[in-house]
Amino acid sequence: DVKVTQSSRYLVKRTGEKVFLECVQDMDHENMFWYRQDPGLGLRLIYFSYDVKMKEKGDIPEGYSVSREKKERFSLILESASTNQTSMYLCASSLWGTFDYGYTFGSGTRLTVV
Amino acid sequence: KQEVTQIPAALSVPEGENLVLNCSFTDSAIYNLQWFRQDPGKGLTSLLLIQSSQREQTSGRLNASLDKSSGRSTLYIAASQPGDSATYLCAVLYTGANSKLTFGKGITLSVRP
Repeated sequence: DVKVTQSSRYLVKRTGEKVFLECVQDMDHENMFWYRQDPGLGLRLIYFSYDVKMKEKGDIPEGYSVSREKKERFSLILESASTNQTSMYLCASSLWGTFDYGYTFGSGTRLTVV
Repeated sequence: KQEVTQIPAALSVPEGENLVLNCSFTDSAIYNLQWFRQDPGKGLTSLLLIQSSQREQTSGRLNASLDKSSGRSTLYIAASQPGDSATYLCAVLYTGANSKLTFGKGITLSVRP
């Protein structure tokens, strides 16, 4: 089974801190995604990457950046955390060039910014 | 605009009931449709994936159907149990979407003992 691992289940950070959320997948997937999920708003795509060092903005990239230095790891960076970035963050991965297998998600990181 | 809609947002049923969760999408040009389950505070777990060329997929008590022409999918849960209580999300991979799924907002199911 594909495993997508998010390094933290819960994080509490202070306003203004630089925050790193890590995601690792073990099945050689090219595509990796970061979403945030908020009540009433559903899942919103922040950034995605389809290859090492490649990234594309999603629907809500403001206040975030990403890094993909290795194929298996995709990091989400909050440059200066703010309270409106308190949310559930979900990482996902999928294969490029085939649509037979769908997305696999990690278990999520609940981030609270105080 | 390519969208995915799930109505109602919440559903409560007694244990043992067979139930259907609905998903509608706006464009028939899709690669696949995926149903997920999400427990409170957790990530998404894939339940079923239906390819564009398929009409249905089954896994245990779950059966998902796809009708591209009408833009609809249903997730059928047989003999519901309290352990089925969760949020169920439908997601569509539209062609031309560059591998990005479009998600519905989910249906929160409560199965009463």
